Amino acid sequence: SQQGEEDPQALSIQEGENATMNCSYKTSINNLQWYRQNSGRGLVHLILIRSNEREKHSGRLRVTLDTSKKSSSLLITASRAADTASYFCATALSGGYQKVTFGTGTKLQVIP
Amino acid sequence: GAGVSQSPRYKVAKRGQDVALRCDPISGHVSLFWYQQALGQGPEFLTYFQNEAQLDKSGLPSDRFFAERPEGSVSTLKIQRTQQEDSAVYLCASSLALAGAGANVLTFGAGSRLTVL
Repeated sequence: SQQGEEDPQALSIQEGENATMNCSYKTSINNLQWYRQNSGRGLVHLILIRSNEREKHSGRLRVTLDTSKKSSSLLITASRAADTASYFCATALSGGYQKVTFGTGTKLQVIP
Repeated sequence: GAGVSQSPRYKVAKRGQDVALRCDPISGHVSLFWYQQALGQGPEFLTYFQNEAQLDKSGLPSDRFFAERPEGSVSTLKIQRTQQEDSAVYLCASSLALAGAGANVLTFGAGSRLTVL
């Protein structure tokens, strides 16, 4: 079963606009990661935020984490056609070996 | 190797056939995960290895699914008596992290797409 749920399921924007995707999860986590998947390919790690962090930046990516609401958001600024892909949040559960479970994904289309 | 390698990339099987999917992780990566991804869905956890030990197989959907990593490097996912509902992309991922020693940032292979007719 999926630990996380992304919202929206699909998003279509014009190149240059910002894209925001949200992720909600169910149980206590050690960290939360975002991955990108281009059609027919494996997933690529984008960014990781730990449970004691609230915000993190990497290039055009900004991730926030609210552990009280069990939610995270991924913001991609100044989107490009090459950002077209599916985006997944992934949570590593507290304790144990940090099993990584994925959400349902947001399909982003950036129109040139 | 430079990345995680999976083979075959595509496999078509008749219902009832056995299949074996191979994953060659990044050299030195301790952790290895298998996921199943249905069309339009997120990856679903199947099983986890730390070196040669299978520490979690809670996601394997039935006893027809079996995974091994006998020498702590290459792993094989075997599906016996395949059914149509087994059709999916099977993703392998590896990580340098030991259990409890840091975040499991995963490097994925391109996946093996299984179609059962």
